[in-house]
Amino acid sequence: AQSVTQPDIHITVSEGASLELRCNYSYGATPYLFWYVQSPGQGLQLLLKYFSGDTLVQGIKGFEAEFKRSQSSFNLRKPSVHWSDAAEYFCAVEGDTGTASKLTFGTGTRLQVTL
Amino acid sequence: GAVVSQHPSWVICKSGTSVKIECRSLDFQATTMFWYRQFPKQSLMLMATSNEGSKATYEQGVEKDKFLINHASLTLSTLTVTSAHPEDSSFYICSASLLGLAGEDTQYFGPGTRLTVL
Repeated sequence: AQSVTQPDIHITVSEGASLELRCNYSYGATPYLFWYVQSPGQGLQLLLKYFSGDTLVQGIKGFEAEFKRSQSSFNLRKPSVHWSDAAEYFCAVEGDTGTASKLTFGTGTRLQVTL
Repeated sequence: GAVVSQHPSWVICKSGTSVKIECRSLDFQATTMFWYRQFPKQSLMLMATSNEGSKATYEQGVEKDKFLINHASLTLSTLTVTSAHPEDSSFYICSASLLGLAGEDTQYFGPGTRLTVL
């Protein structure tokens, strides 16, 4: 069964600083990988996704992620964080189980941005 | 594009009553929708997979008689919490699966429904 590990529960960065959120996955085949962001009391918004092709994926709000098969990682990066980026970030891997493609989520990383 | 709505956004009910939550894909058709539950400061827990025109598939440990799911059309799935109790209080989130040109699935999420059972 697939699994996702987000080693950092909570990260604090200063506004304008760079950001990297870690994600490691376990999956037998080529994974479909996702990053979602959740603001308090809200649903999840898709930041970016990787299915195949270029291992560096660009997303919305200036985020990017790099798929590294050798390290089983899909880390999320942003060169300059804005105060509005403070939220909970979830990494997820999609696995085929019959007719439904389920997502397995990591435990999330809470990002705090200091001014 | 790929907008998913949920209604209501929050609901308070008395113990023993039933509550229905609607999930709609507004600008695309979704053969498959998913229902999740999220506890405070925790990740999402998949409850069930809802397929249009067929019975939902429930995850292990989820009571299907308590959490009734109906996927009546390609744009609407409903979750009914029957005989709700305080322990059912939670944040319920749905998602709808959009099939891409390469055959890949992407889930788009609704804004969630906060259920409080008194």
